Amino acid sequence: LAKTTQPISMDSYEGQEVNITCSHNNIATNDYITWYQQFPSQGPRFIIQGYKTKVTNEVASLFIPADRKSSTLSLPRVSLSDTAVYYCLVGESNAGNMLTFGGGTRLMVKP
Amino acid sequence: EAGVAQSPRYKIIEKRQSVAFWCNPISGHATLYWYQQILGQGPKLLIQFQNNGVVDDSQLPKDRFSAERLKGVDSTLKIQPAKLEDSAVYLCASSLGGAGPGELFFGEGSRLTVL
Repeated sequence: LAKTTQPISMDSYEGQEVNITCSHNNIATNDYITWYQQFPSQGPRFIIQGYKTKVTNEVASLFIPADRKSSTLSLPRVSLSDTAVYYCLVGESNAGNMLTFGGGTRLMVKP
Repeated sequence: EAGVAQSPRYKIIEKRQSVAFWCNPISGHATLYWYQQILGQGPKLLIQFQNNGVVDDSQLPKDRFSAERLKGVDSTLKIQPAKLEDSAVYLCASSLGGAGPGELFFGEGSRLTVL
């Protein structure tokens, strides 16, 4: 199983861009990189997923270098409501593979 | 579209008692997961089902935990007897399954307190 390493916590201010980097040195060829967001007393929620290069959706961008040993979640212009824990996962969802959550990154957005 | 439903939301029991959690996944989702999330930690996968078969339960403490998904839809996770360290939120998730990438859809969780 690919292990991920993320910063334990980050602070930011409203309106800033936040970049959270995840290290996954032993990522496998068939593995995808997925990011989830979790608010207190809620289950994690899917944010974005990618395999290589760059993926963008309405809430975030995901940057993946050519060697795929790391990835960066970019949140543009964060607001107070983006305060949450962000998890980076590496793996597949089909039978036989597990998706393992690490400790996540606690993002605190300040006014 | 209805999300993943879990019940009960909260449960308080004494150690050595038993408890059961129920999960109804999103309609049509073949894969169902049970996670345990201890306060301050990331979710830990306990068991993964593909339809009504177990894909992997290597992290399930089988001496006290059991799970089933008899008809490939709803699932039940049971703990008997409970220990203090079982206090956690039990999250159920589902996905379409199949090859390649996928998105997990989580329920709100069932919070267990063992006294």
